[in-house]
Amino acid sequence: AQSVTQLDSHVSVSEGTPVLLRCNYSSSYSPSLFWYVQHPNKGLQLLLKYTSAATLVKGINGFEAEFKKSETSFHLTKPSAHMSDAAEYFCVVRIFDMRFGAGTRLTVKP
Amino acid sequence: EAGVTQFPSHSVIEKGQTVTLRCDPISGHDNLYWYRRVMGKEIKFLLHFVKESKQDESGMPNNRFLAERTGGTYSTLKVQPAELEDSGVYFCASSPGSLTSGYADTQYFGPGTRLTVL
Repeated sequence: AQSVTQLDSHVSVSEGTPVLLRCNYSSSYSPSLFWYVQHPNKGLQLLLKYTSAATLVKGINGFEAEFKKSETSFHLTKPSAHMSDAAEYFCVVRIFDMRFGAGTRLTVKP
Repeated sequence: EAGVTQFPSHSVIEKGQTVTLRCDPISGHDNLYWYRRVMGKEIKFLLHFVKESKQDESGMPNNRFLAERTGGTYSTLKVQPAELEDSGVYFCASSPGSLTSGYADTQYFGPGTRLTVL
């Protein structure tokens, strides 16, 4: 069985400051891990994915995530937030079917 | 390349009525998935088509939900009769599917259909 927990339902940062969105997972097997983003009235867009290659995964728009097996974590980071990053972010674990976290809503203050 | 499209974007119906949601996947994608997000909850898997065949329908909540994918192209999800608890956002996703990418295959999502049952 697999599951995923996003540790923060809301995160608020100021523009230009770092972003950290936390995700812990549970899986009996080696999972694939994904981060998706959803902007208002848009579909979910893939930011990045981990598939047992490099543990540090770089995605679009300056985001990256590090797979830490010992901590069962896959946190999403970005060095400097932009106003356009304001959206809802989903961490997903997949063995067979996709299991979504509850989502983290990111607010970026000017 | 056109993305995954869903129709309608919003639907408001009364309890007991029937609603049909449509999903057009990216052309050439064999895999089509339906998901649902009930307010305040996480997005949950409903079912998976490979071409026109149901590969996995373990997430379908009950027999009021019927999904079809005739001809392996677009898919419909019918709810009949609709109940209050069916309200939520229904997402469709598609993926090309390949032996090499397997379960790491990227799924491309549509914008969702927001269903409100009154």
